[in-house]
Amino acid sequence: TQLLEQSPQFLSIQEGENLTVYCNSSSVFSSLQWYRQEPGEGPVLLVTVVTGGEVKKLKRLTFQFGDARKDSSLHITAAQPGDTGLYLCAGPVLYYGGSQGNLIFGKGTKLSVKP
Amino acid sequence: ETGVTQTPRHLVMGMTNKKSLKCEQHLGHNAMYWYKQSAKKPLELMFVYSLEERVENNSVPSRFSPECPNSSHLFLHLHTLQPEDSALYLCASSQDRVVSNTGELFFGEGSRLTVL
Repeated sequence: TQLLEQSPQFLSIQEGENLTVYCNSSSVFSSLQWYRQEPGEGPVLLVTVVTGGEVKKLKRLTFQFGDARKDSSLHITAAQPGDTGLYLCAGPVLYYGGSQGNLIFGKGTKLSVKP
Repeated sequence: ETGVTQTPRHLVMGMTNKKSLKCEQHLGHNAMYWYKQSAKKPLELMFVYSLEERVENNSVPSRFSPECPNSSHLFLHLHTLQPEDSALYLCASSQDRVVSNTGELFFGEGSRLTVL
């Protein structure tokens, strides 16, 4: 069974601090996605990483896919209150034979950035 | 309206009530999903519809009954629920059912369900 473990579960920081959250699995994923869910809203896709070792930047957010494609990290520089939300990683289930199925999700990291 | 819309946003029901959640997508997508989001658990996939045909039912109790009358609308009919069914129910859509490396799920804002 493919599982995605996210850490930390909760993170509360002051505006301007840097932070990193992690998404780990014992299984290989063909790709991983990061979603952000703000309070009262549904998750919204931030990025998809596809190639092992890939680094993608989205303004102050930096996403990395592990070389072995079993883990990913999200680093936020100079966090702002608008970054507050639940950060979810997700990856497609990989069936024997290589076909892909629906997304599975981690439990998420709940980030609170205080002004 | 754009994107994925869900109604109602909040629902309180007794264990003997019958209610329905509604989802509508305005994106021209072929696949629609129901997810359950509970505290301290990952998002749980409940049902998948592709081109109006149910293609996946992840061992969901029969007190949850989905309906997909056309590719734009998805319902979740609720009957004799239990308090542990209280959760945020999220509807999502994607262009095609199999989420490829470039695929993306578009979520609605969710329906917060409380079962008394």
